[in-house]
Parts: sequence; C-alpha cells; structure tokens
Amino acid sequence: QKEVEQDPGPLSVPEGAIVSLNCTYSNSAFQYFMWYRQYSRKGPELLMYTYSSGNKEDGRFTAQVDKSSKYISLFIRDSQPSDSATYLCAGAKAAGNKLTFGGGTRVLVKP
Amino acid sequence: DVKVTQSSRYLVKRTGEKVFLECVQDMDHENMFWYRQDPGLGLRLIYFSYDVKMKEKGDIPEGYSVSREKKERFSLILESASTNQTSMYLCATSRPIYGYTFGSGTRLTVV
Repeated sequence: QKEVEQDPGPLSVPEGAIVSLNCTYSNSAFQYFMWYRQYSRKGPELLMYTYSSGNKEDGRFTAQVDKSSKYISLFIRDSQPSDSATYLCAGAKAAGNKLTFGGGTRVLVKP
Repeated sequence: DVKVTQSSRYLVKRTGEKVFLECVQDMDHENMFWYRQDPGLGLRLIYFSYDVKMKEKGDIPEGYSVSREKKERFSLILESASTNQTSMYLCATSRPIYGYTFGSGTRLTVV
C-alpha cells in the first residue's frame, strides 16, 4: 500500500465549478502537508502548505487536513481553464524534510 | 524567488553509459532532493542531502549515486544507464516551512 493515495482522474469540470481533490495517507507521523500543481512537461509548483489539522485559504484555493481520518483535501473555487493540470498531494514528518507524494490527480477545466 | 536549475531538459543516452544530471540552486538551501516521476507511479525519492558531503538513500536508490561537494550543487549519477531508468528526473530544494521548490525536470531516455 502506498503511503499517500490519490485518485488519478481525470476529473473534468466546467469552467466556474468547484474542483474538489482528495488524498488519504497512512503514516500517522506526517505533520506537514502540501499541494503541488504540475503542468505538462514542467516541474511541480507549490500551491498550499499546511501544518497539522485545520483549514488554510489562499485566494481561490482552500486546503483542509483532517489528521484523525488521515484525509487531506484541496478545493479550487471558480475554476478556470488555466487550472487544468495534475495536482499532487504530499506529506512530511518534519518541516523541510523529505516528502512522500501521492500519484497525482489530473484535472481538466472545460471552457 | 528560489531558482532550481537542471542542466538539461532532454537527454538521450545509450545503455551502459555513465550519466550525470546536474542541479544547481541559488538560495543557500540546506536540503536537496532527487526524485524520478513515472506515469502511474508518481514521484519517488532517489536520494537526498541535508548538507554538503552528506547523502541519504531514498526509496529507490539502486543504480544511482549522488554527489554534493558544494551547497548549491547536487548531482545525480547513473553509474551504468539502463532502459528502466528512462524517466523524468526532478531536483528539489527545501527550507523548513517553505516547502519544496522543484526544477523544470530532465527527461532522460536510455536507448
């Protein structure tokens, strides 16, 4: 079993819809959680960085962590075609430490 | 902004060749990482380093080695390239609470 699991998708939504992405993880030592966005033929770029359980909002993006159920989520409001990408979740035991990634979810936002 | 530069975007090498992948960062980060990314398998950690001349094996170190002689440079070495090492290679740096910054990746094809 992988330590971090994601549905590979693709997840197809119309422009303006809310995109809801989820990951589950098995390592209870994870304290830091991140979401990355990766466009085709590019390296991943950091979207959201959270510590422990709770919510974090940044513009159209909201990240949620529920450590009791080992569940992390990313919501994208008012989705745009430019949000079409692969989204990767990741967990780490300590800040700056090695990350364990999920396999990524491909998202398609249709105009 | 942190910049992580990988020396080549695309590389084609022959089976048995010794291959060097270079990664340079410009922000004095202690931590550097090498991942490979394959469809369906996500990002997998090959090696990482928390300081100059220090290296630690990741999840899939077999067939690889690394070198970190200077803080800003982290090299991945394929001792004798094989076709199953055809992949996208991603270098990253990190500092506590700032998450990872990735390079653009090197797509290596071994023929």
